[in-house]
Order: sequence, then structure tokens, then C-alpha cells
Amino acid sequence: GENVEQHPSTLSVQEGDSAVIKCTYSDSASNYFPWYKQELGKGPQLIIDIRSNVGEKKDQRIAVTLNKTAKHFSLHITETQPEDSAVYFCAASRKSGGSYIPTFGRGTSLIVHP
Amino acid sequence: NAGVTQTPKFQVLKTGQSMTLQCAQDMNHEYMSWYRQDPGMGLRLIHYSVGAGITDQGEVPNGYNVSRSTTEDFPLRLLSAAPSQTSVYFCASSYRHTGSPGPIYRYGYTFGSGTRLTVV
Repeated sequence: GENVEQHPSTLSVQEGDSAVIKCTYSDSASNYFPWYKQELGKGPQLIIDIRSNVGEKKDQRIAVTLNKTAKHFSLHITETQPEDSAVYFCAASRKSGGSYIPTFGRGTSLIVHP
Repeated sequence: NAGVTQTPKFQVLKTGQSMTLQCAQDMNHEYMSWYRQDPGMGLRLIHYSVGAGITDQGEVPNGYNVSRSTTEDFPLRLLSAAPSQTSVYFCASSYRHTGSPGPIYRYGYTFGSGTRLTVV
């Protein structure tokens, strides 16, 4: 099955700095890589995603990059703000029984200090 | 537009009791799943369903049952609660990702707000 490793487990930055979270995956058949943000007491929310035929995708202050050869993908947040503080999860979708099932990383707790 | 609705939000059970966690979605999503979230363990898949009448096991299925009689509902049953099942449970849904070309936004999950379960 798929195995997704996520680093770091905790990331502390000053407001305005950039934050980078990295994930690696094991199954070369995985072709969809979403990122989720989970605020305290809430369910995870999809913030950005990328498919395997794309190397980079941006949405305002967040961007994702994908290196299929190396089997790793990253989330980049620029000009961080206190409201970016949350737990972030990466996922890689692998095929299982005719459907693509995501496997999640263990999460990164991002703390943005004002 | 309610999205994914989970009930109850909080529950305390005694060891050996059974209960059902409810999950309903109103987006006509084919795919539904249950995850448990424990500190340091991320989100682990319990059971999932790719459509009404079809269910399958995930990574940690022991002690849980599911059924999918309608597209909208996907209840999770704890047969005989154990302290190890103390966790936060999330239900999620999406359009079914079969690998065929399609709008990328169709494959992202919509999560419910979770059920915090404590087994004493």
C-alpha cells in the first residue's frame, strides 16, 4: 500500500516569513496530491491540490510543487499570517479496487507568531 | 448547502456499549469514508464506500461496521466499545476518483466537523 511521510511535525515561524512542509510517497501509481488545513476543533478543509501531470500550482499565498521522479511534493506558504496557524495534512491518492483512495501524512502543526 | 453532517459531536460510552455515529451528505458524492484521528497518528482510514451497497475496509477496521443503503448516509457502528476506540472520528465524502480525466476540484474531500468519542 501507499506510505506518506510528512515533515516537519511542528513548524514555528514569525509572521511574514515563509513556511514549507514536505511530503514523500511510496506508490508511483499515485496521481493526485491534495493538502488539507485543520483548524482547532474543526474537520480538515481542502486548500489546494495537484495532479501528477503538473509540476507546480499556485493560489495566492500558497503553492504546491510535485516531483514525481523523486516522489515528493511540498506546500509553500508565503507571507504567513497568524490565521495560517493550523495543522496541515498532505495526502497521496493511490488506486484501490477501482477507485483512488487517499493516504494521509501525519500532519504538521504550523504556528505563526505575531 | 449543509455539506457533510456528523452526529453526535460528543459522546461518552462505557466499555462494552455499542453505538452508531451518523454521517450524511447532500452533495450526491459517490465516495464516503470514515477516519479516526489520534494524536501523532494523523488520519487513519476505518472503512469506505464507493457507492450505495458497496463498502470496504480501510487501515483500521477492527471493531467497526458500516453499511451504505443510500448515497446520502454512511453510519459507523461500534459493536462493543473499548478504551482504544477513544478518538475523534471524521466522516468525509467526495466524487469518486477513478483515474479518468475530470475537473481536479471534484476529487477533494469534504469533511464533517467530527465526533469526539470517549470510552471509559
